[in-house]
Amino acid sequence: DVKVTQSSRYLVKRTGEKVFLECVQDMDHENMFWYRQDPGLGLRLIYFSYDVKMKEKGDIPEGYSVSREKKERFSLILESASTNQTSMYLCASCLTSAAGELFFGEGSRLTVL
Amino acid sequence: AQSVTQPDIHITVSEGASLELRCNYSYGATPYLFWYVQSPGQGLQLLLKYFSGDTLVQGIKGFEAEFKRSQSSFNLRKPSVHWSDAAEYFCAVGDNFNKFYFGSGTKLNVKP
Repeated sequence: DVKVTQSSRYLVKRTGEKVFLECVQDMDHENMFWYRQDPGLGLRLIYFSYDVKMKEKGDIPEGYSVSREKKERFSLILESASTNQTSMYLCASCLTSAAGELFFGEGSRLTVL
Repeated sequence: AQSVTQPDIHITVSEGASLELRCNYSYGATPYLFWYVQSPGQGLQLLLKYFSGDTLVQGIKGFEAEFKRSQSSFNLRKPSVHWSDAAEYFCAVGDNFNKFYFGSGTKLNVKP
C-alpha cells in the first residue's frame, strides 16, 4: 500500500523557534508538495519539488523554506516560527505524469505560541 | 488563472438521503478533476478522478461525479448517505505540469 508519512502529527512551538516538518514517501514519486490548510481557505500550496534538490515556490512561500536531499524525503522549514503559522500542514506526492493523482500524509498540526 | 469554487461551505443531510456537492472550476484546457475526502484530523483520500472519456465517473464508497464541460462543473453525488460519510470534501483541478488547485471545501454533516 502506498504511503506518505509525516513525522509529527502534533507540534507545539514558541515564537521564534526553528521548526522542521518531515515527510517521507515510499512510492518513488518524483513530485512532492507541502500544503497549508486553514478553515475556509482550503489547501494552499507552500512549495513543491519535482526532483531531488529542485524546488519551486507555491502560492504562499513567505516564511517557509524546503529541502529535498533525497527523492523520498521532503522537509518544510520554518526559520522563525510565528503565531500566524499555526495551521495544519499536509505533505503530498505524485508521479510525474499528466493527470497523476496526489497522495497525502495524515497531516501535522502545528501550534505556535 | 485556474480556480476551483465549492459554493457550499456546510451541508447537512439526513442519513439515507441523496447528496450532491457542487464544484465549479476555471481552467483553460481540458482539466483533470478530482474529489478528495478528509475525515477529522486526517489527510486527504482520493474518492474519484476524471481524466477523459466517460463523463460519469465512479469512485469509492458509492460516490460518483459527473463532468459537464458546458457548465465547468464536476459535482459529486451519492444516492444514499451513511453516517460515516460525515467529513470534509474537496474538489481539485490538476494541470499537465502536476500543479493542483483546490476548492475551499464542503463540510458534510449527516443527521441520524
